[in-house]
Amino acid sequence: DVKVTQSSRYLVKRTGEKVFLECVQDMDHENMFWYRQDPGLGLRLIYFSYDVKMKEKGDIPEGYSVSREKKERFSLILESASTNQTSMYLCASSFQGFNEQFFGPGTRLTVL
Amino acid sequence: GDSVTQMEGPVTLSEEAFLTINCTYTATGYPSLFWYVQYPGEGLQLLLKATKADDKGSNKGFEATYRKETTSFHLEKGSVQVSDSAVYFCALSDVGGGNKLTFGTGTQLKVEL
Repeated sequence: DVKVTQSSRYLVKRTGEKVFLECVQDMDHENMFWYRQDPGLGLRLIYFSYDVKMKEKGDIPEGYSVSREKKERFSLILESASTNQTSMYLCASSFQGFNEQFFGPGTRLTVL
Repeated sequence: GDSVTQMEGPVTLSEEAFLTINCTYTATGYPSLFWYVQYPGEGLQLLLKATKADDKGSNKGFEATYRKETTSFHLEKGSVQVSDSAVYFCALSDVGGGNKLTFGTGTQLKVEL
């Protein structure tokens, strides 16, 4: 059974903290993605990666960075969390050349 | 750029009612089209997809037909159940888009007894 796991379901952080969101997939997928989901805005792509140590900016990369040191793991980093980064964060993965993405359960991040 | 437009929700139906959720798209090429579903507290799951014009995707009683002439991919189900209550997202992946998906804003469906 294919699986994408995210390190936390719920997270509460303070403004200015450095935040790490971890995503792990066990399907040997080349592609990994980070989205944020907000009411009325749908899913917006933050960053994606086609391979280890590779990263590409999505539609809303400002305030975020990513790290992919191993094929199965893709981390989203908020260098200095702000209240407008309060959101649901979803990780996804897919095989190279295939459009179907498999999603994790999401992390609901609240920044106070 | 690519975009997907969905009807706004929430859509509230009685059990066994007919469901239609409208989705139209704008793309430069010939995209693949998807419907994803998000049940409460969960991530997104692929519901169905279509990769070329006139293809019909189907799964769990849901259907959608890729209509190139109207740039649409409307989701339908003949008889909804309470367990279908979820948020439904229409998405596209354009040729040359690097396997990226562009999502609509989502439509919440509530099915009542």
